[in-house]
Amino acid sequence: AQSVAQPEDQVNVAEGNPLTVKCTYSVSGNPYLFWYVQYPNRGLQFLLKYITGDNLVKGSYGFEAEFNKSQTSFHLKKPSALVSDSALYFCAVRDEDSNYQLIWGAGTKLIIKP
Amino acid sequence: GAVVSQHPSWVICKSGTSVKIECRSLDFQATTMFWYRQFPKQSLMLMATSNEGSKATYEQGVEKDKFLINHASLTLSTLTVTSAHPEDSSFYICSARVGRDVLETQYFGPGTRLLVL
Repeated sequence: AQSVAQPEDQVNVAEGNPLTVKCTYSVSGNPYLFWYVQYPNRGLQFLLKYITGDNLVKGSYGFEAEFNKSQTSFHLKKPSALVSDSALYFCAVRDEDSNYQLIWGAGTKLIIKP
Repeated sequence: GAVVSQHPSWVICKSGTSVKIECRSLDFQATTMFWYRQFPKQSLMLMATSNEGSKATYEQGVEKDKFLINHASLTLSTLTVTSAHPEDSSFYICSARVGRDVLETQYFGPGTRLLVL
């Protein structure tokens, strides 16, 4: 069965420090992986995706994610956190053979402290 | 990026009434739109997949007669919550799929918060 795990409900990082939000997945075929961010009272915004090619994917707002096939992971990273990065982050996956339906992680609340 | 709007953003209604939520792709055409439900501090739950010109595909456990979906054009899908009850109170989010295969991405609307009294 397809699944996505975000093992941390909340991640706390000091402003200026690097941040990592973890995501692991399970699909039967080749994965299409996505990261979305949700700010309070706003819709989800697309950050980045991995379909094929370079394992390091660069996205919006300085975020990047690394696809690791052996560890079935797609962790979201940023070298230097900003207070404005505080939000809810969702990882999602779909099998390349699926009908475009995404399987969602539970979400990780990222808190950046000044 | 592509913009998806939802209307209304907030709705409060009495129990037993029906509520219609619109989802529009503003600057692109979307053959497929998705409807999600999100409970507080939880992830998104896919309710149904809406394809233009055909019947929606509902996820297991989602009542078709309760949540009516119409996708009449390539830029508009509607979700009607019929005979709403307090347990239907939630945050409803739509998304529109752009592109195919490796170019595919979903863009999300801002959501509609429904409160049934």
